[in-house]
Amino acid sequence: EAQVTQNPRYLITVTGKKLTVTCSQNMNHEYMSWYRQDPGLGLRQIYYSMNVEVTDKGDVPEGYKVSRKEKRNFPLILESPSPNQTSLYFCASSLRDKADTQYFGPGTRLTVL
Amino acid sequence: GDSVTQMEGPVTLSEEAFLTINCTYTATGYPSLFWYVQYPGEGLQLLLKATKADDKGSNKGFEATYRKETTSFHLEKGSVQVSDSAVYFCALITGAGSYQLTFGKGTKLSVIP
Repeated sequence: EAQVTQNPRYLITVTGKKLTVTCSQNMNHEYMSWYRQDPGLGLRQIYYSMNVEVTDKGDVPEGYKVSRKEKRNFPLILESPSPNQTSLYFCASSLRDKADTQYFGPGTRLTVL
Repeated sequence: GDSVTQMEGPVTLSEEAFLTINCTYTATGYPSLFWYVQYPGEGLQLLLKATKADDKGSNKGFEATYRKETTSFHLEKGSVQVSDSAVYFCALITGAGSYQLTFGKGTKLSVIP
C-alpha cells in the first residue's frame, strides 16, 4: 500500500530535550516536505527536500533541522524543543513532476512542556 | 506573496443540507487550486483539484470551479452526510516547478443527523 508513515504519532517531551520525528514514504517520491498545523493558522511549511541531500527552508524553519540521506526518509529534528513548537506536524511527499498530487502522513502531535 | 482566504468556521449543518465553503486566493501567475480534507485524527487527503481557469474539480459529490475572474474556488456539495464532518482546507501551488502548497486556515464542518 502506497503511504507516508510518521513516528511517533504522539509525543510529550520537555523543553530542551532533543527529539526526532521520522517520516518515510514507499512511493519512490523525490519531493518531501514538513508542515506544522496550528489552530487558526492552517498549515505552514517548515522544510522541504527536492531529492537526496537537497533540502531547503520553508516559511517557518527556525528551531528545526532536517536531513535527506535516503530517498524514502526525511526526519525532522528538534535540537532544543521549546513550548512554542507544540503543534501537529505533517510530512508530505510527491513525485518531482506531480507537485499537484501530494500525499500526507497521519500526523505527529507534539507537546513540549 | 501568495495567500488563501477561507470562510471562518465552524460550520454546522443538518444532514442533506447544501454546503458551500468559500475560498478566494491571491497569487502570482496561474496557480493550481486544491481542496484537502482532514477527517478527525487523520492526515490530509486530496479531495479535488483544478489546474486552469474554468476547470471543475469533483469527487465524492463535492465540486469546485476555478474562477479566475473572481479568484475563487468555492467548495460545494448538494447533500451533506454525517460522514462529511471534517476540516476542509483550500490550497494552491503557483508556477511551474513549484511544490509548496499555500493553505487556507481551514474550515471545520460538523454535520448533525
